[in-house]
Amino acid sequence: QKEVEQNSGPLSVPEGAIASLNCTYSDRGSQSFFWYRQYSGKSPELIMFIYSNGDKEDGRFTAQLNKASQYVSLLIRDSQPSDSATYLCAVNSWRRDTGRRALTFGSGTRLQVQP
Amino acid sequence: GAVVSQHPSRVICKSGTSVKIECRSLDFQATTMFWYRQFPKQSLMLMATSNEGSKATYEQGVEKDKFLINHASLTLSTLTVTSAHPEDSSFYICSARGAGRTDTQYFGPGTRLTVL
Repeated sequence: QKEVEQNSGPLSVPEGAIASLNCTYSDRGSQSFFWYRQYSGKSPELIMFIYSNGDKEDGRFTAQLNKASQYVSLLIRDSQPSDSATYLCAVNSWRRDTGRRALTFGSGTRLQVQP
Repeated sequence: GAVVSQHPSRVICKSGTSVKIECRSLDFQATTMFWYRQFPKQSLMLMATSNEGSKATYEQGVEKDKFLINHASLTLSTLTVTSAHPEDSSFYICSARGAGRTDTQYFGPGTRLTVL
């Protein structure tokens, strides 16, 4: 089982719709969770992070965390063609080999917003 | 805030040469920096983690003698690809994490390396 799992997509939604991106993780001790957006040929940029169970809203983005189910999601309201990108879920988990916490990335979900 | 720069953004070199990539945190002190590699249409692959003033920790399968990492100050880390070969051609991205309770990593813009 991968440590952080995402559906690779592509997830296709019409302009103006809500895009829902999902991520599950295996380390129950994880404390912090991040969503990054990566456009083709560019580096990832941070969209938002969440530490506590529940919802966290920032503009058109809402992150949802359910630690009991080991599930984190990102909702994008009023999706725009410019939101078309790969969305990476990252979970801060304990690394046995280094004895430190580090971000573990999912492989990303490709989102396509159709005009 | 939390800006990370990388230089150069793009480099083309001949096989056998060495290439140095710089990663700088511009407005915060980065206690930890990370180096990733990404091949086309693939996910990020962590290569190594470096803490200021100490040796880098390399991921399994990454040759430490080939990918030299130096994190000499709280704002600068360098990755040197030694004796580069065409299979080293990739997108190299650094990220930085500051001190404090936040685990957030901020990414640099990346360096596209092409080895001829």
